[in-house]
Amino acid sequence: AQSVTQLDSQVPVFEEAPVELRCNYSSSVSVYLFWYVQYPNQGLQLLLKYLSGSTLVKGINGFEAEFNKSQTSFHLRKPSVHISDTAEYFCAVSDAGANNLFFGTGTRLTVIP
Amino acid sequence: GAVVSQHPSWVICKSGTSVKIECRSLDFQATTMFWYRQFPKQSLMLMATSNEGSKATYEQGVEKDKFLINHASLTLSTLTVTSAHPEDSSFYICSANHRGGTDTQYFGPGTRLTVL
Repeated sequence: AQSVTQLDSQVPVFEEAPVELRCNYSSSVSVYLFWYVQYPNQGLQLLLKYLSGSTLVKGINGFEAEFNKSQTSFHLRKPSVHISDTAEYFCAVSDAGANNLFFGTGTRLTVIP
Repeated sequence: GAVVSQHPSWVICKSGTSVKIECRSLDFQATTMFWYRQFPKQSLMLMATSNEGSKATYEQGVEKDKFLINHASLTLSTLTVTSAHPEDSSFYICSANHRGGTDTQYFGPGTRLTVL
């Protein structure tokens, strides 16, 4: 089974500053990688995903992530955050073609005005 | 597209009663649906995987007789928490895969269960 590590449980950042949320996963031959966002008392919304192809993936709300196979990482970035980005962010991994999703413990992003 | 709904969004019940939660894929057919449980400030833990027309596959440590899952159609799965107790209070979230696709799960908005 995959394991996913989100190193930062909380990330405070000032509005309009850049942010990076880190995600590492246990190695596997082939994986699918996802970032989800969860607003308070809501379900998860897909931000972006990597299945194959270009290692730089662009998602909704100005977020992007880069798949780094050698470092088994899939860090999420945004060049300029907004107050509305305050939420919980989850990294998830599945073995390519498999149904199971393995989640990290989440990173609480707080954007400070 | 790819909208998943859950009903109810929240429910409060007395200890010992049973609660049914519905998960529907509104604009696609889902051969596989998943049920997760999320405790406060924690990640999602997969409880079970259900395939339309067959028995659900439960993760280790999840009591299948307590958490009954039915996936009767390609757009509906239900989770019934039987004889609920306060420790069952949690946020239950379902997700679904597109029929014929396995790469992305689309999540419902979740159901907050509080057992008194």
